Amino acid sequence: GAVVSQHPSWVICKSGTSVKIECRSLDFQATTMFWYRQFPKQSLMLMATSNEGSKATYEQGVEKDKFLINHASLTLSTLTVTSAHPEDSSFYICSASSPTLYSNQPQHFGDGTRLSIL
Amino acid sequence: RKEVEQDPGPFNVPEGATVAFNCTYSNSASQSFFWYRQDCRKEPKLLMSVYSSGNEDGRFTAQLNRASQYISLLIRDSKLSDSATYLCVAHNAGNMLTFGGGTRLMVKP
Repeated sequence: GAVVSQHPSWVICKSGTSVKIECRSLDFQATTMFWYRQFPKQSLMLMATSNEGSKATYEQGVEKDKFLINHASLTLSTLTVTSAHPEDSSFYICSASSPTLYSNQPQHFGDGTRLSIL
Repeated sequence: RKEVEQDPGPFNVPEGATVAFNCTYSNSASQSFFWYRQDCRKEPKLLMSVYSSGNEDGRFTAQLNRASQYISLLIRDSKLSDSATYLCVAHNAGNMLTFGGGTRLMVKP
């Protein structure tokens, strides 16, 4: 149980393109979803937290107009990297949580999306 | 200062060795702690929770010392498959997770 699916797993695109990443909770309703970014040889850094039906809360230094987050349903959140540039190339990971989910961990992670901007 | 700090390593050990990783945290209000394992270009996966009383799961033993704000992970009888990055994670209010920088382990034949 508590499966989180992330799509796509790998994206390569040209500079200036906007890229949408989907995060779905497959077998539970996720009231909260988290988006992380991980650069090579660094740890996961939280970008933003989103609650279903509310605006996302962004961490300091993360541009909300560049990283658009939508959490319109209890099973889907999307992250859109607008006008992506090479410096946005990174590993993006989502996670989901629910207060009603009985689990041994507070968040359940998607498989991650490797974004490469040429 | 980072909220969760780890020695980045790498730790290069032979198969069968015992290896210990340490982690310190600065937020005394952190509710609980975990060790995650992350393989290259993969998502982190829960290895084990960490309790003050110490807990063991097969070859893995985790310990939390709240007074010192110190967490450890001991791996006995290392296997080649243990090669990965080990992430020390603090669980804070609002179900937030704060990750340490990770400690890289390389187990050699």
